[in-house]
Amino acid sequence: AQSVTQLGSHVSVSEGALVLLRCNYSSSVPPYLFWYVQYPNQGLQLLLKYTTGATLVKGINGFEAEFKKSETSFHLTKPSAHMSDAAEYFCAVSERNNDMRFGAGTRLTVKP
Amino acid sequence: GAVVSQHPSRVICKSGTSVKIECRSLDFQATTMFWYRQFPKQSLMLMATSNEGSKATYEQGVEKDKFLINHASLTLSTLTVTSAHPEDSSFYICSARVVSPYNEQFFGPGTRLTVL
Repeated sequence: AQSVTQLGSHVSVSEGALVLLRCNYSSSVPPYLFWYVQYPNQGLQLLLKYTTGATLVKGINGFEAEFKKSETSFHLTKPSAHMSDAAEYFCAVSERNNDMRFGAGTRLTVKP
Repeated sequence: GAVVSQHPSRVICKSGTSVKIECRSLDFQATTMFWYRQFPKQSLMLMATSNEGSKATYEQGVEKDKFLINHASLTLSTLTVTSAHPEDSSFYICSARVVSPYNEQFFGPGTRLTVL
């Protein structure tokens, strides 16, 4: 069965700095990969997803992620952090005919 | 994108009462919906999978008699917390799975339950 590991439960960056949130997955077949963002007291909002095709995926709010099969990774990046990016981020993986599995989440703090 | 709503967004109830939370897919039909529970600063914990027209599938450790799930139509699933107690206080989130090869889920905004 597929699984996801998010390295670092808490990441802190300065405003304007690079954001890097790490996600590694385990899957026996080509995976479908997702990043979700959760703001306080809200549900999850899809940031971006990789299904097939181009391995560099661009999402909303300036985020992007790259699927690296050789490293079984799908790290989320943003060149310049904004205060409004402070939130909880979840990586998820699914396979055909299998439901989605979520990572434990990474809390992003942005310092002024 | 697909929109999922939840109602109510916040509920406060007395211990021993039952609370019903609704999850609706607004612009698509969802044969499968999921119910999650989230404690402060923690990840989502899948409680159960709700399938339209059939019984829900509960995860290990989740009491099916306490958390009643009904999925009577392709756009509505309900979660009823029966005889609620303070330890049931939590953030409950539902999601609906879009029919696609990717098993993508769209999430509701969540319901904050506080049991006094």
